[in-house]
Amino acid sequence: AQSVTQLDSQVPVFEEAPVELRCNYSSSVSVYLFWYVQYPNQGLQLLLKYLSGSTLVESINGFEAEFNKSQTSFHLRKPSVHISDTAEYFCAVTRGGGSTLGRLYFGRGTQLTVWP
Amino acid sequence: DSGVTQTPKHLITATGQRVTLRCSPRSGDLSVYWYQQSLDQGLQFLIQYYNGEERAKGNILERFSAQQFPDLHSELNLSSLELGDSALYFCASSGVGGGSPLHFGNGTRLTVT
Repeated sequence: AQSVTQLDSQVPVFEEAPVELRCNYSSSVSVYLFWYVQYPNQGLQLLLKYLSGSTLVESINGFEAEFNKSQTSFHLRKPSVHISDTAEYFCAVTRGGGSTLGRLYFGRGTQLTVWP
Repeated sequence: DSGVTQTPKHLITATGQRVTLRCSPRSGDLSVYWYQQSLDQGLQFLIQYYNGEERAKGNILERFSAQQFPDLHSELNLSSLELGDSALYFCASSGVGGGSPLHFGNGTRLTVT
């Protein structure tokens, strides 16, 4: 089975500062990795995903994540955050290699709070 | 809008009762997943269905059951409810290909009093 550890439960930052949300995973097989974002009273929305190829993946709203196989990490970064980025962020992993099993294993989440 | 519809949005019921949560997946998605989100347990995978068949089972209690119907909508039945069952229940759906992301509904917030 796979598991995910999000090292920080809360990350407070000021607006326009850079941020990194850390995620480490554990798996004995190849994996697909995802970051989801959850705004208050809403469901989870896909932010970005790594399936294969380039280890650096980007989202449309300025976030990026880098897959590091040797460190089993998939940290999420943004060079300059906005107040609207305040939300809970979840890292997730699923079995890779073309598996269609699909279920995601989630971390406990990181609450990002951006202050003006 | 993820395209996944969950009803009802809120549900308040008493201990010992039974409730049914409903989910309509995105058009074309064959897989449906149920997750429970609570403050102490985080996001817990309950069960997955693929084209009407149970595909994977997670931490689902025996008091809980689910099914996926021929039109691909799914229902999660929770019975003999306890206070600890109060949580947000999410349904998600996905396509067939490996690595297809899950698309989540907005959840049903269940409060057991």
